[in-house]
Amino acid sequence: TQLLEQSPQFLSIQEGENLTVYCNSSSVFSSLQWYRQEPGEGPVLLVTVVTGGEVKKLKRLTFQFGDARKDSSLHITAAQPGDTGLYLCAGPPGVSNYQLIWGAGTKLIIKP
Amino acid sequence: DVKVTQSSRYLVKRTGEKVFLECVQDMDHENMFWYRQDPGLGLRLIYFSYDVKMKEKGDIPEGYSVSREKKERFSLILESASTNQTSMYLCASSLLGGDIFNQPQHFGDGTRLSIL
Repeated sequence: TQLLEQSPQFLSIQEGENLTVYCNSSSVFSSLQWYRQEPGEGPVLLVTVVTGGEVKKLKRLTFQFGDARKDSSLHITAAQPGDTGLYLCAGPPGVSNYQLIWGAGTKLIIKP
Repeated sequence: DVKVTQSSRYLVKRTGEKVFLECVQDMDHENMFWYRQDPGLGLRLIYFSYDVKMKEKGDIPEGYSVSREKKERFSLILESASTNQTSMYLCASSLLGGDIFNQPQHFGDGTRLSIL
């Protein structure tokens, strides 16, 4: 069974600090998606990484897909309270055309 | 703007009741999904559908059924609600076709269901 493990499970930091969260697997994924879920809302897609070693930037957020396509990281520079939320990674298992495997998420709180 | 609408934000039902959760999307998406989300467990797939009247079991289908009579609507049914079905339920949709492994899922805002 393919699994996605996210770490840390919970992170609380002050505004202005930098942070990195991780999404790891022992299996290869053809792509990985990152979502952010704010309280009381559904997850919203932030980015999809497809190529091993790929780096994508979304303002202060930098996403990287590992060379072997087994892991991904999200780095936030100068975190702001608006970055607070649950960050989820998800990827398609090799045999399914429709489903996604989901990590349990990293709950991030940015304190003003 | 794309939209997935779930019929209720909060719902309280009693053990043994039959419960219906409704989801409608306006994006003409082929795929629709029902998940439950519990703290520390992430999103777990209950059922999904890739076409009208088609349904496939996800990881945790026991105690649930679904209905998709129209492309835009996907209903989740708890046949006889139990307390262990208290959870956040999320509906999502996505496109079929093209590079489907990269198709994002669009989510509703969830229904927080409590079974007493």
